[in-house]
Amino acid sequence: EAQVTQNPRYLITVTGKKLTVTCSQNMNHEYMSWYRQDPGLGLRQIYYSMNVEVTDKGDVPEGYKVSRKEKRNFPLILESPSPNQTSLYFCASSPGLTLNTGELFFGEGSRLTVL
Amino acid sequence: GENVEQHPSTLSVQEGDSAVIKCTYSDSASNYFPWYKQELGKGPQLIIDIRSNVGEKKDQRIAVTLNKTAKHFSLHITETQPEDSAVYFCAATDSWGKLQFGAGTQVVVTP
Repeated sequence: EAQVTQNPRYLITVTGKKLTVTCSQNMNHEYMSWYRQDPGLGLRQIYYSMNVEVTDKGDVPEGYKVSRKEKRNFPLILESPSPNQTSLYFCASSPGLTLNTGELFFGEGSRLTVL
Repeated sequence: GENVEQHPSTLSVQEGDSAVIKCTYSDSASNYFPWYKQELGKGPQLIIDIRSNVGEKKDQRIAVTLNKTAKHFSLHITETQPEDSAVYFCAATDSWGKLQFGAGTQVVVTP
């Protein structure tokens, strides 16, 4: 089954404790991206990647890191989480190299709470 | 960059009635306008999209209209059913091909 898999789905952590949210897709998509969803703000892009070893900042990259060592994986790293990073996170992938050429396929989300 | 505004933020409709969600965008070079539906506990899923060379597109009970002059586009759901209850996001690509989402509309269909 074609899918984007994120882990963990739920996480409660404390300020400053490094964490990684994994994302894997089995559709051989070039493009992958991370979004955060907050009430009243919709989906805001954190980072994206057009291909292996190619990553770029989205609209809200502060406090996050990503890597793309393999085509299928695109982990999101919070080196020193803070309470304002409490949010619902989505990983997405697309067959298109730009987002007006292909559908975005989303994972089921990771709800992160930073105390 | 692109700015997408979406209204209303919540919409309650009686089962069988129609629902309309409206979005405006700022970048006149935008050329692709998808709509995503997010069911409770799930990720958003594409339900319909429209490109700037088309004024209207229909798929069963859902339709999208685009007015390029006014820079707005709308989602129409007819004969609403309980399974239409979800959060709906509009989006637009800017001149760099980057997707910007609206803030979302919570649609509640009451029996």
